[in-house]
Amino acid sequence: GAVVSQHPSRVICKSGTSVKIECRSLDFQATTMFWYRQFPKQSLMLMATSNEGSKATYEQGVEKDKFLINHASLTLSTLTVTSAHPEDSSFYICSAHSADRLEQPQHFGDGTRLSIL
Amino acid sequence: GNSVTQMEGPVTLSEEAFLTINCTYTATGYPSLFWYVQYPGEGLQLLLKATKADDKGSNKGFEATYRKETTSFHLEKGSVQVSDSAVYFCALSGQGAQKLVFGQGTRLTINP
Repeated sequence: GAVVSQHPSRVICKSGTSVKIECRSLDFQATTMFWYRQFPKQSLMLMATSNEGSKATYEQGVEKDKFLINHASLTLSTLTVTSAHPEDSSFYICSAHSADRLEQPQHFGDGTRLSIL
Repeated sequence: GNSVTQMEGPVTLSEEAFLTINCTYTATGYPSLFWYVQYPGEGLQLLLKATKADDKGSNKGFEATYRKETTSFHLEKGSVQVSDSAVYFCALSGQGAQKLVFGQGTRLTINP
């Protein structure tokens, strides 16, 4: 079964709204979580890496004030898209790493389709 | 730095055809190699992996062999099904690393 739960799966909102996406590891503690953005028919672009209890590390070109990441516990990380605009519409995917689940380096959520009108 | 290059798509095949999706990589040391599959509207699922040279990963009829001499990890399946239609990503992680480096993805469509 799914080991990483991402919520919501889809969100449609008006321009200027802030949107929060949650990523939970269901049966393990995730020391590190990753946030990706995927444009239509393209690969995954890593946005940031977050470690529990510390500030996220953002990839070059990703606005940290626009995409706020919080990793307050070992099972939950959140991505908040602040004052979202149509160009922020995309598919966002989180993943989690655990030293106890090394069958793969990252376990992926099912993604969130964000549409900004 | 590490990089992954995979066969550009889209790839369209008939049911029961043989499938190959090429993947080559550039990396220092001894990376682990992965194939992920993404069904429409979903996240990524691990399809198979190999962690050292000459290892063969296999799952659901798919296979890929870690070839260090050619820095390749080509995905193959002998007889594809309509349900195999998805996007396939080749990826690597550096030795002991958590980060994944993805190829650009190959969209596969299987027609009945």
